Amino acid sequence: DAKTTQPNSMESNEEEPVHLPCNHSTISGTDYIHWYRQLPSQGPEYVIHGLTSNVNNRMASLAIAEDRKSSTLILHRATLRDAAVYYCIPGSSNTGKLIFGQGTTLQVKP
Amino acid sequence: GAGVSQSPSNKVTEKGKDVELRCDPISGHTALYWYRQSLGQGLEFLIYFQGNSAPDKSGLPSDRFSAERTGGSVSTLTIQRTQQEDSAVYLCASAPRWLGGGGTEAFFGQGTRLTVV
Repeated sequence: DAKTTQPNSMESNEEEPVHLPCNHSTISGTDYIHWYRQLPSQGPEYVIHGLTSNVNNRMASLAIAEDRKSSTLILHRATLRDAAVYYCIPGSSNTGKLIFGQGTTLQVKP
Repeated sequence: GAGVSQSPSNKVTEKGKDVELRCDPISGHTALYWYRQSLGQGLEFLIYFQGNSAPDKSGLPSDRFSAERTGGSVSTLTIQRTQQEDSAVYLCASAPRWLGGGGTEAFFGQGTRLTVV
């Protein structure tokens, strides 16, 4: 399984954009990049995923580097509800498991 | 529609007792995953099912842990002779298909908080 590196924590002000980086230099060519988040006292929830092209959905955008060794999750306007642990997870095309690392704890200040 | 349902939401048990944790996945989802999360820690993969088969049991911590899935639906995680280190939140997730194919998402339940006293 590919290894990931994420900052332990980040802070943002409410209504400002947030860029959450992830390095996954050992990712294989067929593995999707998934992002999940976990709000306090809840199970993880899906945020977004992509393979090669940048992706947008109602929650966030995902920018994937051309060499696929890194990606950035973009929250366009952070809200207090976005305070959570964000996990970057390269999908394993061999095993089909989502392996969660330590993630980035995002704090959003009012 | 209904999401992934786990029961009980909380379970307190005495050391040495057996416990069963239940997961009801989203209807039609063929893939089902079990994770556990100790206090302040990340998620630890335990086992996954494709249909009723468990191709990957590599995360089960010991032979005290077992899981089954029947009818391609409900799954039960059983912990025998519980120990204090088993205390954690046990999370279940289901997906429309095997996640290895990419392009799909897993839906998580709210978890069962197990406390062994």
